[in-house]
Amino acid sequence: DSGVTQTPKHLITATGQRVTLRCSPRSGDLSVYWYQQSLDQGLQFLIQYYNGEERAKGNILERFSAQQFPDLHSELNLSSLELGDSALYFCASSVGGGRTGELFFGEGSRLTVL
Amino acid sequence: GQSLEQPSEVTAVEGAIVQINCTYQTSGFYGLSWYQQHDGGAPTFLSYNALDGLEETGRFSSFLSRSDSYGYLLLQELQMKDSASYFCAVSRRDDKIIFGKGTRLHILP
Repeated sequence: DSGVTQTPKHLITATGQRVTLRCSPRSGDLSVYWYQQSLDQGLQFLIQYYNGEERAKGNILERFSAQQFPDLHSELNLSSLELGDSALYFCASSVGGGRTGELFFGEGSRLTVL
Repeated sequence: GQSLEQPSEVTAVEGAIVQINCTYQTSGFYGLSWYQQHDGGAPTFLSYNALDGLEETGRFSSFLSRSDSYGYLLLQELQMKDSASYFCAVSRRDDKIIFGKGTRLHILP
């Protein structure tokens, strides 16, 4: 158990809909990263927050947004969903920013868009 | 731009040694990490190199050469449970952690 909690574990929805994925980092970790993993693909970096502020941004679509709340949990919002958004979405946390090199991953949220 | 290259698949025999290479090209390089991911599971951290040289953790070792933009993960005394995907990831000064596409390791009995 990494200590990172993601909900929901599975989500099935239709094209055009909007979903929210939630992540609670390990106790004491200030940084949250979001990644997208499609079938047989690597982990695509989406966005990173540190202590409530956006710190780094990857190839995140404009239809996607995220935030980190004062209690450090984070949410990833995906809107106007398309079939190609079907993927496993991982949240990971670390004590500091990326320079520590060590991320603790949640079990992921598997999104299926029909 | 940035890129990480690692072999898509590697096959080795149980009990043997295997090396998974990773070359990278990125600005603001800070360090290189390795992660293991079993099918259906979450990635788990294996090792991190910020300085040149070899880091050893049990059966796993990781090497970094900053001048060559190259690193590798060495797995010794392979066990069937080591069958998984292995990802290298670069940590950058802007706090981004970028992953390669992963290497699927097949272990034969």
